[in-house]
Amino acid sequence: KAGVTQTPRYLIKTRGQQVTLSCSPISGHRSVSWYQQTPGQGLQFLFEYFSETQRNKGNFPGRFSGRQFSNSRSEMNVSTLELGDSALYLCASSGTSGGENIQYFGAGTRLSVL
Amino acid sequence: QQQVKQSPQSLIVQKGGISIINCAYENTAFDYFPWYQQFPGKGPALLIAIRPDVSEKKEGRFTISFNKSAKQFSLHIMDSQPGDSATYFCAASNQAAGNKLTFGGGTRVLVKP
Repeated sequence: KAGVTQTPRYLIKTRGQQVTLSCSPISGHRSVSWYQQTPGQGLQFLFEYFSETQRNKGNFPGRFSGRQFSNSRSEMNVSTLELGDSALYLCASSGTSGGENIQYFGAGTRLSVL
Repeated sequence: QQQVKQSPQSLIVQKGGISIINCAYENTAFDYFPWYQQFPGKGPALLIAIRPDVSEKKEGRFTISFNKSAKQFSLHIMDSQPGDSATYFCAASNQAAGNKLTFGGGTRVLVKP
């Protein structure tokens, strides 16, 4: 079974630009969550999508948005990039095992904002 | 507001020794407590998880101890190996509310041969 696939793996953008990151979940998983990982703030939850609907949202500005398609693939968009948006963006898809919802993470997209 | 506090930030242990990482949480609605292991360049991978109705769970060399009254839980890595050198994150979630994980700050473990 293929794991969570995130593309691209690396991105370099300049301030003010916008960026779109993509995530393909494990086959059969309907929930996709996004996290931002930085050395200073650690792993922070951005949002979760389940069956094309946003189910949870973290404390990030409206510049961060996402969506999920009918095949459960998800995209995350960041508009008007700031230097502080440089981070590793992780996607996780969730499946049930032993009565628990387990999150499986992709390798991430490393975004550098110059 | 950091709802899950993790300590220590880093840890050096000799091969064969025991690594102990501690976490404390504030939100009593949390009902699922996983530990993740992350290697450089990789995403976090689930190591072991526990629910608050269990005080201890063991899987191979990894053991979680859970103290509900103190709102604390810990990871013990027995017989630590150089391949265990990684960053470990504790996390917590309220599974009835979805899959939002609140992570601790992480512990970088180095196992010396």
